[in-house]
Amino acid sequence: QSALTQPRSVSGSPGQSVTISCTGTSSNVGAYNYVSWYQQSSDKAPKLIIFDVSERPSGVPGRFSGSKSGNTASLTISGLQAEDEADYYCCSSAGSFTPFVFGTGTKVSVL
Amino acid sequence: DVQLLESGGGLVKPGESLRLSCAASGFTFSTYAMGWVRQAPGKGLEWVSAISGGGTKRSYADSVKGRFSISRDNSKATMYLQLNSLRAEDTAVYFCAKDRYSNPKYLESWGRGTLVTVSS
Repeated sequence: QSALTQPRSVSGSPGQSVTISCTGTSSNVGAYNYVSWYQQSSDKAPKLIIFDVSERPSGVPGRFSGSKSGNTASLTISGLQAEDEADYYCCSSAGSFTPFVFGTGTKVSVL
Repeated sequence: DVQLLESGGGLVKPGESLRLSCAASGFTFSTYAMGWVRQAPGKGLEWVSAISGGGTKRSYADSVKGRFSISRDNSKATMYLQLNSLRAEDTAVYFCAKDRYSNPKYLESWGRGTLVTVSS
């Protein structure tokens, strides 16, 4: 399984919205609703921020939202804050033998 | 609170072996699937292996299949990753992670990682 495709970087000013795309295939993103997103701040462990395409774990701010259409998933950060500056990775199942296929990662910069 | 503590990383030569451990606490270990994810220096996340809560279902990335072996001891709340025939491209920080469910779906809690360096 090849990595899912994400833009290398996106940026926005505080308060703006940014959207990160995650393009897979009909064997992963398009086949399953097991899509998740992880946030990784500098030199820290990743943190799950979206699962089941659009669900947020307890404690994750409501400004993070997820969606999916066909083979592409998206993460939107509304009302960007300085603390949102981090790397973001999408992830999808590709079946029971390949439960995790990560995206290439996107660096979000807050201008 | 969930705590995951990886150990066993270090510097090894190509072809050598290493065993990583992940000691878990703060939850009922046997209920949840667990996984290993690695990150090469300056690179993105790469899933390595996962194991179901009961330990009967194991899965591996193609890049490590046949060389790495995942296991767990639910009585000790510990997961392991045996790394054999190591290659330079296996150099990475290896993260241990707890899944949200009994079968691998979402890695909701992560350890801080242990560094494996493969170099002659």
